[in-house]
Amino acid sequence: TQLLEQSPQFLSIQEGENLTVYCNSSSVFSSLQWYRQEPGEGPVLLVTVVTGGEVKKLKRLTFQFGDARKDSSLHITAAQPGDTGLYLCADHPTLNFGNEKLTFGTGTRLTIIP
Amino acid sequence: DSGVTQTPKHLITATGQRVTLRCSPRSGDLSVYWYQQSLDQGLQFLIQYYNGEERAKGNILERFSAQQFPDLHSELNLSSLELGDSALYFCASSRLTEQFFGPGTRLTVL
Repeated sequence: TQLLEQSPQFLSIQEGENLTVYCNSSSVFSSLQWYRQEPGEGPVLLVTVVTGGEVKKLKRLTFQFGDARKDSSLHITAAQPGDTGLYLCADHPTLNFGNEKLTFGTGTRLTIIP
Repeated sequence: DSGVTQTPKHLITATGQRVTLRCSPRSGDLSVYWYQQSLDQGLQFLIQYYNGEERAKGNILERFSAQQFPDLHSELNLSSLELGDSALYFCASSRLTEQFFGPGTRLTVL
């Protein structure tokens, strides 16, 4: 059974600071997805990365996929209160059409203090 | 708004009871997934339906069952409820590699 560990579990920082959160898997990812979940809402997909070493940017968010495809990081520059939420990494079995159940990580709960 | 709807938003019930959670996927999406989110277990996959047929099963208890109807809406039935079943239950529907989650149903078992 694949285990996805995220760190830190909780992170509280001031607005304007930079931060990095991590996701580590016990086995190779099929493809890795990052989600953000705000209170009272379901998770929302931020990005999908497939290739080892891949880097994707989404405005102030930078996602990096490890060369061995077993780890990933999410870096936020100049954090804003709107970035507050639960960040979840997930393994998505991209090549298993029709059976795309997600395996989620333990999550990082991020709070940005104005 | 993801386009996935779930009802009810909140549900409070007693141990031993049975409840039904309802989900309507986005228009055109054939797959429906159910997930459970609790503080100790995180977000876990329960079951998937594709166009009315069960496609994949996760860590779903025997007391839980689901179905997908011809109009593609889905229901998750939870019976003989225990305190530990208190959690958020999410439904998602998918198109290609992206899953769209509903707002969830918060179940509290007293």
